[in-house]
Amino acid sequence: DIVMTQAPLSVSVTPGESASISCRSSKSLLHSNGITYVYWYLQKPGKSPQLLIYRMSNLASGVPDRFSGSGSETDFTLKISRVEAEDVGIYYCGQLLENPWTFGGGTKLELK
Amino acid sequence: QVQLQQSGAELVKPGSSVKISCKASGYTFTSYDMHWIKQQPGNGLEWIGWIYPGNGNTKYNQKFNGKATLTADKSSSTAYMQLSSLTSEDSAVYFCAREGGITPFDYWGQGVMVTVSS
Repeated sequence: DIVMTQAPLSVSVTPGESASISCRSSKSLLHSNGITYVYWYLQKPGKSPQLLIYRMSNLASGVPDRFSGSGSETDFTLKISRVEAEDVGIYYCGQLLENPWTFGGGTKLELK
Repeated sequence: QVQLQQSGAELVKPGSSVKISCKASGYTFTSYDMHWIKQQPGNGLEWIGWIYPGNGNTKYNQKFNGKATLTADKSSSTAYMQLSSLTSEDSAVYFCAREGGITPFDYWGQGVMVTVSS
C-alpha cells in the first residue's frame, strides 16, 4: 500500500497568518497521463470531510482561493494564506492512484 | 442539491452483523461510484471500497474483503454496506462519499457511528 505521511501533527496559527502542511507519499503519485493523484480534505470539528484540492493543485468548487496545493511526484504542500477561524480542523492528504486509496494521518490546525 | 443521508447510529454485539445505508438525492444515483470510508475515534481515514450502482460492480480494499459487503438499490437510490463478524476493531464512524469523477469524494454523508459492545 502507498503510505502517506503528513507533517506536522498539529499547527497553531495566528489569524491572518499563513500555514503550510506537508505530505509525503511512499511512491510517486504522478501517472503516465501527467496527472498527480493527490488530494486534500478538511474535516471541521464534528463534520464530515470536505474536498479542498484535487489532482495536487486544483481548487475544488466553493473553496476560497486562500488555499493552494503544490508539489512534486512524492512531496506535496497545502498552503493556507490569511488563516481564518473557519479553517480550523484536521487536514488530510490522500492518494487516489492505486488501490487501496490511502490517506495521511492528518494535521490539526488550531488558532493561537 | 446533492445530498447523502445516512442511517442512524448502531449499537451491536460482537460477532453480529450490521447493515448501514446511504440514501442519495439531487443527482443521478446510477452514474457515480459510491465509496465507503472508515474513521476510528481519533484516527484518520481508511478507504473500504466502492460500488457502481449502475451495474453493481464493486472494488474493495483487500483489508476489508470478507468484512464489508457493498450493495445498492437503484429503485430507492440507496447504497448499503454490511459489516459482518463484528469486533471492537469495527467500532468507528462510517462515511459514504460520492465519486465525483475528477473530484473524488466531492459529497459526503454525515457518517454513521457503529459501536460494537456486549
